[in-house]
Amino acid sequence: QITLKESAPTLVKPTQTLTLTCTFSGFSLSSSGVGVGWIRQPPGKALEWLALIYWDDDKRYSPVLKSRLTITKDTSKNQVVLTLTNMDPVDTATYYCAHITVVIDNFDHWGQGILVTVSS
Amino acid sequence: QSVLTQPPSASGTPGQRVTISCSGSNSNIGSNYVYWYQQLPGTAPKLLISRNNRRPSGVPDRFSGSQSGTSASLAISGLRSEDEADYYCATWDDSLWVFGGGTKLTVL
Repeated sequence: QITLKESAPTLVKPTQTLTLTCTFSGFSLSSSGVGVGWIRQPPGKALEWLALIYWDDDKRYSPVLKSRLTITKDTSKNQVVLTLTNMDPVDTATYYCAHITVVIDNFDHWGQGILVTVSS
Repeated sequence: QSVLTQPPSASGTPGQRVTISCSGSNSNIGSNYVYWYQQLPGTAPKLLISRNNRRPSGVPDRFSGSQSGTSASLAISGLRSEDEADYYCATWDDSLWVFGGGTKLTVL
């Protein structure tokens, strides 16, 4: 059974760096074809894809946020970490991590999400 | 501004058939599979349709998807109150993932 869970501070100040951690089980990021992505959703707004990392360390970023994003994986801990620098109130959102494989080719399992608020 | 264009809202009465459109371009829908997600209030999105028209296990056959050229559609037949949710189309665009702006479906 695949499960993912996001963790992060729920309140960050403007200009700070947000570190999001996705801890997962039921699959391994060292297995060929497996990946984990991040998606966010501001309150009352649409889903926005942020980044994706595959088992082979192939990393992809939203072109809109690429300069502020870094995604890494720790295979031994079954974790994927996403950092977003220079936080602004418009970055207030629920952040989701999700499982993907090259074969399935879409985000088929999602975490519950975590609401991060940016405010001074 | 989303790369994929969806109507912001749709509605129907119980038992009706409703469709939700998703318009893109040659670089996304025109050359990749389309996926549809259902997001019930306060929950994470759930995969509803895979690869244009495939239903994952457990998804009722009232839900169907289609794709033609640079557009795709989600159809829901026999509308039920529990179908009231936000629906998102998604696909790849030059190896990057993109979502539509979402459609809020109201069951009247």
